[in-house]
Amino acid sequence: GAGVSQTPSNKVTEKGKYVELRCDPISGHTALYWYRQSLGQGPEFLIYFQGTGAADDSGLPNDRFFAVRPEGSVSTLKIQRTERGDSAVYLCASSPVSSRGSPPITQYFGPGTRLTVL
Amino acid sequence: EDQVTQSPEALRLQEGESSSLNCSYTVSGLRGLFWYRQDPGKGPEFLFTLYSAGEEKEKERLKATLTKKESFLHITAPKPEDSATYLCAVQGAGNMLTFGGGTRLMVKP
Repeated sequence: GAGVSQTPSNKVTEKGKYVELRCDPISGHTALYWYRQSLGQGPEFLIYFQGTGAADDSGLPNDRFFAVRPEGSVSTLKIQRTERGDSAVYLCASSPVSSRGSPPITQYFGPGTRLTVL
Repeated sequence: EDQVTQSPEALRLQEGESSSLNCSYTVSGLRGLFWYRQDPGKGPEFLFTLYSAGEEKEKERLKATLTKKESFLHITAPKPEDSATYLCAVQGAGNMLTFGGGTRLMVKP
């Protein structure tokens, strides 16, 4: 079946502009995650959705970052007043339902969106 | 705070030269340790999940093992197509993954 898809694959913007990054999870996956990966580093957690609600947004670096998942499927990561330090690859992952204390469930990643802030 | 450290940062092998990658971790209540492969310009691709110390899993030329403090990814007789970055991640009490910095593996023919 289809995997996680992300659009656009590349986004170049100017400092101070607003951007939206989109993630389509695997069909039927209720959990959706956003991570950010800087060059030469491992991915870093940003936010996690279970259904429509943000279950954990502790990784968002500041209030310029916001994410939504209004219908429990597609998610959009929104970044206001972009800064050069926001340049990175933004990865989305999805998994079947996963709750605290339960055995871990594999997260499947999309190809990422490469964001460049000039 | 969960922490993951991978070593070495980079590894160059000749085709057929077996070796191991290390992943050291500290986590409150390990629910699972994951290995992913990442090719340039692509997202991480799932390889293995390990749940408890002593567990081992194999896939083709790769074998992952787990102790209470670290995990190893053993690569037996690697081929050039095994060249990639290998990422280790842990899942603790929360649902997010905490990743290490990765090991960049290059296998020369």
